[in-house]
Amino acid sequence: GAVVSQHPSRVICKSGTSVKIECRSLDFQATTMFWYRQFPKKSLMLMATSNEGSKATYEQGVEKDKFLINHASLTLSTLTVTSAHPEDSSFYICSARTGTGAEEQYFGPGTRLTVT
Amino acid sequence: AQSVTQLDSQVPVFEEAPVELRCNYSSSVSVYLFWYVQYPNQGLQLLLKYLSGSTLVKGINGFEAEFNKSQTSFHLRKPSVHISDTAEYFCAVSFYGGSQGNLIFGKGTKLSVKP
Repeated sequence: GAVVSQHPSRVICKSGTSVKIECRSLDFQATTMFWYRQFPKKSLMLMATSNEGSKATYEQGVEKDKFLINHASLTLSTLTVTSAHPEDSSFYICSARTGTGAEEQYFGPGTRLTVT
Repeated sequence: AQSVTQLDSQVPVFEEAPVELRCNYSSSVSVYLFWYVQYPNQGLQLLLKYLSGSTLVKGINGFEAEFNKSQTSFHLRKPSVHISDTAEYFCAVSFYGGSQGNLIFGKGTKLSVKP
């Protein structure tokens, strides 16, 4: 149980285009989902926290107009990188909590974004 | 401010040798503690967690960790490593009463197991 999927696993896009990444909780309802960014050989940096049906809470320094997050249902959150640039190339990982009070987050397999 | 420190960025070790990956945290409130493993180009997999109770926690793949409140540490150990344990290991904490249980990660320790 507690499986989180991400789609796509890899994406290459041209500079200036937008890319959408999906995060799904497959066998549980996720009241809260998190989006992380991981730079090469670096730790995970929390970008934003999203709750179903409400606006995401962005961490300091993360541009909310560039990284659009939507959490439309209890099993799906999306991250859209708008007007992507090469510096947006990174590994994006989502995670989800069940909201039952447990503190554990279940992580997706990640999405490798390359902007050319 | 809360923080997590993984003192070793890289730990090389020979197969079947014991290993300890160190993790220290700084917090003025009680914490939950986690160790995650990340294989190349993959997401994070939970190895073990400490929420409450016994300070010695056993996880998957033969790993264990001990919560030491006085030393604010949560070191990860395995008595005998395998080649397949080669991966990046992340220590993480979340804080009682913290905003929605956000995790704070250490910078990671790359474990390289050599034959």
